[in-house]
Amino acid sequence: KQEVTQIPAALSVPEGENLVLNCSFTDSAIYNLQWFRQDPGKGLTSLLLIQSSQREQTSGRLNASLDKSSGRSTLYIAASQPGDSATYLCAVLHGSGNTGKLIFGQGTTLQVKP
Amino acid sequence: SQTIHQWPATLVQPVGSPLSLECTVEGTSNPNLYWYRQAAGRGLQLLFYSVGIGQISSEVPQNLSASRPQDRQFILSSKKLLLSDSGFYLCAWSAAGFYNEQFFGPGTRLTVL
Repeated sequence: KQEVTQIPAALSVPEGENLVLNCSFTDSAIYNLQWFRQDPGKGLTSLLLIQSSQREQTSGRLNASLDKSSGRSTLYIAASQPGDSATYLCAVLHGSGNTGKLIFGQGTTLQVKP
Repeated sequence: SQTIHQWPATLVQPVGSPLSLECTVEGTSNPNLYWYRQAAGRGLQLLFYSVGIGQISSEVPQNLSASRPQDRQFILSSKKLLLSDSGFYLCAWSAAGFYNEQFFGPGTRLTVL
């Protein structure tokens, strides 16, 4: 059974710091991995998608890496800003019938202090 | 561009009452559609998915059902709500196929009293 774990559960940093959020999964047979952002009471915003054949993806100040063999992904946020404060979720895509099933971690809640 | 809508945004219902949550997608055709629930302390869980009109797959046995009457419309229903049905319900879509990115709607906060 696929399980996704995110460490730490919460993180507080001063503005301007570079930071890394960690995601690990128990079954390396994934099709892709997505990182999402969720603001309180809101839906999920897709940040980055890494296909299983890729090693990393970048979008602006965000960089996500994937090491399928070790079951790990990291989300790197450069020069953090107060607007980055949110919960970050990683999810791996597994086959389920004739579509993909996303298995989510519990999330890392990030607070960036001005 | 594609957009996904959910309504209502917030709902408070008594135990035993019926439920109907609606999700619609614009700007795409033949999407895969998904219903997820986010409950406190339990993370996000896939409830149903659909690859086409009238085609529904259930991931978790429960008090809920789903229907897809039109290509871009996905409905979550219950005949009689339970306290345990409370949570944040999220609809998502992806392009048809297996490996595609999923995009989420704004969600519906359901409180069952």
